[in-house]
Amino acid sequence: EVQLLESGGGLVQPGGSLRLSCAASGFTFDNYAMAWVRQAPGKGLEWVSAISGSGGTTWYVDSVRGRFTISRDNSKNTLHLQLISLRAEDTAMYFCAKYTMPSGGTLGDFWGQGTQVTVSS
Amino acid sequence: QSVLTQPPSASGTPGQSVSISCSGSSSNIGSHSVNWYQQVPGTAPKLLISNNNRRPSGVPDRFSGSKSGTSASLAISGLQSGDEADYHCATWDGSLNAWVFGGGTKVTVL
Repeated sequence: EVQLLESGGGLVQPGGSLRLSCAASGFTFDNYAMAWVRQAPGKGLEWVSAISGSGGTTWYVDSVRGRFTISRDNSKNTLHLQLISLRAEDTAMYFCAKYTMPSGGTLGDFWGQGTQVTVSS
Repeated sequence: QSVLTQPPSASGTPGQSVSISCSGSSSNIGSHSVNWYQQVPGTAPKLLISNNNRRPSGVPDRFSGSKSGTSASLAISGLQSGDEADYHCATWDGSLNAWVFGGGTKVTVL
């Protein structure tokens, strides 16, 4: 059974940092690209970043490029998202999601339950 | 403002059919396949339709997707109370080099 379990969210002040993690199980982790998708309170879904199965290719939405860094540790079946210079508009539930292919394919055939990030003073 | 445009709400009585539209442009829907996700408030999204019209295992055939030009649609037939949820469309945008979503449509069963 595929399972994705996020952690690392919390309350942080503007300008602060956080590191989100997503522990994966139930599939061959390095065979699939992974993504982070966020959802601000009462809003729709927003794709944030993605990484290929090997970790060699990354993609970012313009609003987070230079502030967020996606990475993966295939030896530990874990996906990470480093968030720095956080802004109020980064407040959201952050979901990790699995793709169906090593370099993309269909986004989100499986999703984690999410971890909440709140940026506030 | 979302790149893909969906109506904010749709509704129907049990047994009726509901259709949700998703409008985009040549750089997204016009060039790439569309996925649909179902999200019960407070829970994670679930893939409902992939590649415009493919249902993952376990998704009832009451749900169907289609695409024409720069628009896509999700149809729900035989509406049930358990179908009350938010529905999101998404695809890759070749100009933005990013996945883009619609704003979501809340389906209410009256």
